[in-house]
Amino acid sequence: AQTVTQSQPEMSVQEAETVTLSCTYDTSENNYYLFWYKQPPSRQMILVIRQEAYKQQNATENRFSVNFQKAAKSFSLKISDSQLGDTAMYFCAFMKHDSGNTPLVFGKGTRLSVIA
Amino acid sequence: NAGVMQNPRHLVRRRGQEARLRCSPMKGHSHVYWYRQLPEEGLKFMVYLQKENIIDESGMPKERFSAEFPKEGPSILRIQQVVRGDSAAYFCASSPRDRIAKNIQYFGAGTRLSVL
Repeated sequence: AQTVTQSQPEMSVQEAETVTLSCTYDTSENNYYLFWYKQPPSRQMILVIRQEAYKQQNATENRFSVNFQKAAKSFSLKISDSQLGDTAMYFCAFMKHDSGNTPLVFGKGTRLSVIA
Repeated sequence: NAGVMQNPRHLVRRRGQEARLRCSPMKGHSHVYWYRQLPEEGLKFMVYLQKENIIDESGMPKERFSAEFPKEGPSILRIQQVVRGDSAAYFCASSPRDRIAKNIQYFGAGTRLSVL
């Protein structure tokens, strides 16, 4: 079974600064996907970024980028130029690559506060 | 294109009553997932359905919980004889049949169930 670990329950960052959220996972699969989801106070789960394990290049989406280390099973999220609207819970998630759809396995989350 | 719609947003039940949670997937999506989020926890997979079929229910409690996704209408998560431990946020996600995009799950805003 796959597990996802987020070792930082809470973090804070000054507005306009950069912050990195950690995520490690455990799996025996070789092909899989990794995701970061954001959950603001509204509780809506919003996809931030996705990484395909067979791609060595780190995914980027505007101010959000990942550092994917497959051998170390590490998948950290870097948020640059932090904004107040980035305040949210951030969840790292794993999905097996399969011919069919497979469910997501989530970490427990990191609560990020962006301070003005 | 409307997103994943869940209703109600909040549901209050007394112990022993039934709870029915509804989820309408995004237009064109034929795969539905249900997840449960306990306070201060990540989301945990419950069940994965396609139209008229349960594909994976490995995360569903063995008793009192059931799910369906009929040919017409929304997916329903049904909890019979609710207990206080069922209090949680229940999220629905949908994904398309498209082979490339099917690994992306789009979430609804969730239903918060409170059992008195």
